[in-house]
Amino acid sequence: GAVVSQHPSRVICKSGTSVKIECRSLDFQATTMFWYRQFPKQSLMLMATSNEGSKATYEQGVEKDKFLINHASLTLSTLTVTSAHPEDSSFYICSARDRVRNTGELFFGEGSRLTVL
Amino acid sequence: QQQVKQSPQSLIVQKGGISIINCAYENTAFDYFPWYQQFPGKGPALLIAIRPDVSEKKEGRFTISFNKSAKQFSLHIMDSQPGDSATYFCAASMENTGNQFYFGTGTSLTVIP
Repeated sequence: GAVVSQHPSRVICKSGTSVKIECRSLDFQATTMFWYRQFPKQSLMLMATSNEGSKATYEQGVEKDKFLINHASLTLSTLTVTSAHPEDSSFYICSARDRVRNTGELFFGEGSRLTVL
Repeated sequence: QQQVKQSPQSLIVQKGGISIINCAYENTAFDYFPWYQQFPGKGPALLIAIRPDVSEKKEGRFTISFNKSAKQFSLHIMDSQPGDSATYFCAASMENTGNQFYFGTGTSLTVIP
């Protein structure tokens, strides 16, 4: 099956710094990638839809200036948490659909655990 | 508004028993209904999925039952094993539009030996 690689898997940073998380589709082209945030024992909360070559579409209540999303190529999307604060600590997961094979399946990365001190 | 409602929130089953998780949806335009399995600290992984043209799909010990008229679908795990202990999410989407997936709230399954 298709593989989505997410890096880093864990990151600890100081309050006020910025953190970049990468999401790569390893064996397929993903014109659309999705970024989710997940709190402990809760469901996945869609943050934004990342479209290759265009601006991301953010869900209501998600600060686009805090969570910068860039989808520069068909295989890479990045999420940058700017000026991170402890309340940004969470599990961030990306996902992508293979538009060529178009099986409908959504492939998830392994997630990135962000801890802001 | 929760597009997909999932129950129960948690489930404890004896080894060898049947685990049943239920989901209901509102939007009749949904045409793809996957179930995802998530272990702690990992991303969700597709377990099994169904489209509304069939009422049941079975893959090994996992079966999806789909009731289009009731707008409900369920996951049945037969012969549940301790290794099945995980969180399960149902989801729904409109497959050909590239739209987002709408996830249920998740069910934490514990299979006790």
